[in-house]
Amino acid sequence: DIVMTQSPDSLAVSLGERATINCKSSQSVLSSSNNKNYLAWYQQKPGQPPKLLIYWASTRESGVPDRFSGSGSGTDFTLTVSSLQADDVAVYYCQQYYSTPFTFGQGTKLEIK
Amino acid sequence: EVQLVESGGGLVQPGGSLRLSCAASGFSFSDYWMHWVRQGPGKGLVWVSRIKSDGSTTTYADSVRGRFTISRDNAENTLYLQMNSLRAEDTAVYYCARGFGSHYFDFWGQGILVTVSS
Repeated sequence: DIVMTQSPDSLAVSLGERATINCKSSQSVLSSSNNKNYLAWYQQKPGQPPKLLIYWASTRESGVPDRFSGSGSGTDFTLTVSSLQADDVAVYYCQQYYSTPFTFGQGTKLEIK
Repeated sequence: EVQLVESGGGLVQPGGSLRLSCAASGFSFSDYWMHWVRQGPGKGLVWVSRIKSDGSTTTYADSVRGRFTISRDNAENTLYLQMNSLRAEDTAVYYCARGFGSHYFDFWGQGILVTVSS
């Protein structure tokens, strides 16, 4: 199984500042056949289901604010919130869909400082 | 509007069975892979199972293989998860999720709570 490890576990950032969440996979999730990284990011607010933010490591889902961006390749990935808003308080998960069982990181709780 | 509505959860004793349903609407259900993902109390997300659009292929996490069965009725736009030999560690909110291809999950239901306890 591919193990996904996020860092940090929690993060407090001031409004308007940048937040960066890291995700590392135990093996590469980059496909040699299509040169795509099989990595997604989700946002989960309390009492709500997860919401897709980013797929293919860097493609923003329709309707997601452009302050959210994803980067990285192979085994190391980053989710960046360029200017934190109060509405961004949530737990963020990375997920690999390169191979089954699909696996998630443990989550990063993002709060306002 | 895409909607996924889970039902069938509740309290069950260890060793018991439960069948979850997920009613889909607002999209062509028969065109999509579908998944079940669970989240234990205060825990992270764990993928459980997936089924291909036509029902011909199913995959399971090791922790549920042989106990859980995923199925679908494309005529009724409904996804199912038959859960047998339930254990305390199966206690979780169960989400059905639509798969984009066999890949990421682009839409999630609200979830249904399953509690396994005596």
